[in-house]
Amino acid sequence: DAGVTQSPTHLIKTRGQQVTLRCSPKSGHDTVSWYQQALGQGPQFIFQYYEEEERQRGNFPDRFSGHQFPNYSSELNVNALLLGDSALYLCASSRTDIIYEQYFGPGTRLTVT
Amino acid sequence: AQTVTQSQPEMSVQEAETVTLSCTYDTSESDYYLFWYKQPPSRQMILVIRQEAYKQQNATENRFSVNFQKAAKSFSLKISDSQLGDAAMYFCAHIARGGTSYGKLTFGQGTILTVHP
Repeated sequence: DAGVTQSPTHLIKTRGQQVTLRCSPKSGHDTVSWYQQALGQGPQFIFQYYEEEERQRGNFPDRFSGHQFPNYSSELNVNALLLGDSALYLCASSRTDIIYEQYFGPGTRLTVT
Repeated sequence: AQTVTQSQPEMSVQEAETVTLSCTYDTSESDYYLFWYKQPPSRQMILVIRQEAYKQQNATENRFSVNFQKAAKSFSLKISDSQLGDAAMYFCAHIARGGTSYGKLTFGQGTILTVHP
């Protein structure tokens, strides 16, 4: 059983560009949460998707948007990239009835130059 | 809103010794879980141990145990018989099972644990 997978592993973008990160949840999971982890810091909650809808959102600007597909996979989109968006982006999946059991993917390291 | 505070940026321990990592939290919810996660240089976030707020008994997983003081909102992690593979960044985290923060993990700032041979 594959765990949570994320792609790509690393990417480098230029300020002002747009980026899309992808996440496939663990088999049997229907909820996907995204977190941003700046270097040396704890992860910060961005948003959570369930039934293809954004169910919860953290304190992130509208430049951060997402999507969940019928197969429960998810995308995180960031527009108008800033240097401060450089971070490790973590995806976590869970079952909505066991929301406290969140399994994390390996993350995508985004560098904005 | 939930907050989680880890006041020890770095800790070190000798192999085979015991170390305790500290965490305090604040929450307005009565139904919640607390966690300790380990993040090695590989970046993979690994669950170490989980504590349900309604359970008074402290959780234990092999060499890892917690001291959960609900009234004091304190949640420390004790690692016994430390091993070189325990070296990592450790995060304390909270999740509410209801309310406006339902399903959102809130993390502390992390504690870097170094294990000396």
